[in-house]
Amino acid sequence: AQKVTQAQTEISVVEKEDVTLDCVYETRDTTYYLFWYKQPPSGELVFLIRRNSFDEQNEISGRYSWNFQKSTSSFNFTITASQVVDSAVYFCALSSRYRSTASKLTFGTGTRLQVTL
Amino acid sequence: DAGVIQSPRHEVTEMGQEVTLRCKPISGHDYLFWYRQTMMRGLELLIYFNNNVPIDDSGMPEDRFSAKMPNASFSTLKIQPSEPRDSAVYFCASSSDGSSGNTIYFGEGSWLTVV
Repeated sequence: AQKVTQAQTEISVVEKEDVTLDCVYETRDTTYYLFWYKQPPSGELVFLIRRNSFDEQNEISGRYSWNFQKSTSSFNFTITASQVVDSAVYFCALSSRYRSTASKLTFGTGTRLQVTL
Repeated sequence: DAGVIQSPRHEVTEMGQEVTLRCKPISGHDYLFWYRQTMMRGLELLIYFNNNVPIDDSGMPEDRFSAKMPNASFSTLKIQPSEPRDSAVYFCASSSDGSSGNTIYFGEGSWLTVV
């Protein structure tokens, strides 16, 4: 079975602090993809990043960075120098073809990030 | 290109009424997904289509829910009769193929309240 665990329900930081959102996943598939989505207060789901199971290189995009470690089945997301606009719910998700004819996303329960001044 | 377009954005209806949610996927995308988001269950897949054909509807909660995709650019999710526990945000999403590495793009969601 596939499972994504985001143990942090809610995180509150002060602007300019760095914050890391944790994501741990479970899958039997050897080929899979991991995603992060952002859901701002307006409600839409915004795609942030996709990473495949064969690429463990860390990725940096501006203030965002992602750390993928297969050994610990984790795909953590760090925001450097957080800003108020980063306030949102962040979802980690897993996709694979295990027992499926097409990829389907399994979402974690989300981490609500609150950035205050 | 336009993203996934959903309507209505917000709907408030009385219990027992029929609700129809609409979705226009991204042009050229062959896969269309309907997800539901609730506080209790989080984001869950209801049904998905490939080339307008329903492939997996195992997530549809019960017979009151039905989904159709009459053509490549339009899908509906219908609830009849609606119940208060159906109150949720319903997301439509699409992707260009079914490979696990393909990004699934979401619409802005339809916020449904059944009173």
